[in-house]
Amino acid sequence: DIQMTQSPSSLSASIGDRVTITCRASQSISNHLNWYQQKRGKAPQVLIYAASYLESGVPSRFSGSRSGTDFTLTISSLQPEDFATYYCQQSYSSPITFGQGTRLEIK
Amino acid sequence: QVQLQESGPGLVKPSETLSLTCTVSGASINNYYWSWIRQPPGKGLEWIAYVYNSGTTDYSPSLKSRVTVSVDTSKSQFSLKMTSVTTADTAVYYCARLWFGELKFDFWGQGALVTVSS
Repeated sequence: DIQMTQSPSSLSASIGDRVTITCRASQSISNHLNWYQQKRGKAPQVLIYAASYLESGVPSRFSGSRSGTDFTLTISSLQPEDFATYYCQQSYSSPITFGQGTRLEIK
Repeated sequence: QVQLQESGPGLVKPSETLSLTCTVSGASINNYYWSWIRQPPGKGLEWIAYVYNSGTTDYSPSLKSRVTVSVDTSKSQFSLKMTSVTTADTAVYYCARLWFGELKFDFWGQGALVTVSS
């Protein structure tokens, strides 16, 4: 199985901050990486697919990038509704695997 | 808008079989991949399996021996059966559409909490 390791596990930030979350794959997955946002008590929602493509309807302050087996989700200017848990997910090979999550909290 | 709704018992006894159904509306169940994902309380997401209307399936190796997924196109539903459950199977179970182009889960149900307890 491909292991996905997210860092940090939790993060405190303020409204307007620029935030970066990283996901590292245990082997090459090309650009087969998706990012999700999950708010408390709700189902996850896809934000970014194929490493850097913004899902329809997702605000442009969210962006994704790749460098080798490292993937980054960036929120350019935090808004109140962005405080949530974020997960990466690889779709390169079966079984589909998720990172352990990054909890983004208000400072 | 695609909508998914999980249904099934919220309480299952240890060693028994967990059965959930996901009803799809707003889109044809044909020609898409449909998946089950679970999340134990306070923990992360775990992919369980996917199914395609032709009967094509794929399972997480860690659960494969206990899980079966199937599609009923006439009812626009797909199902999950998990045998020999233990307390470790207590989780919120989500059904989701798997967009096969990028293998992203683009539509999700609201989730169903299943508790395994005697």
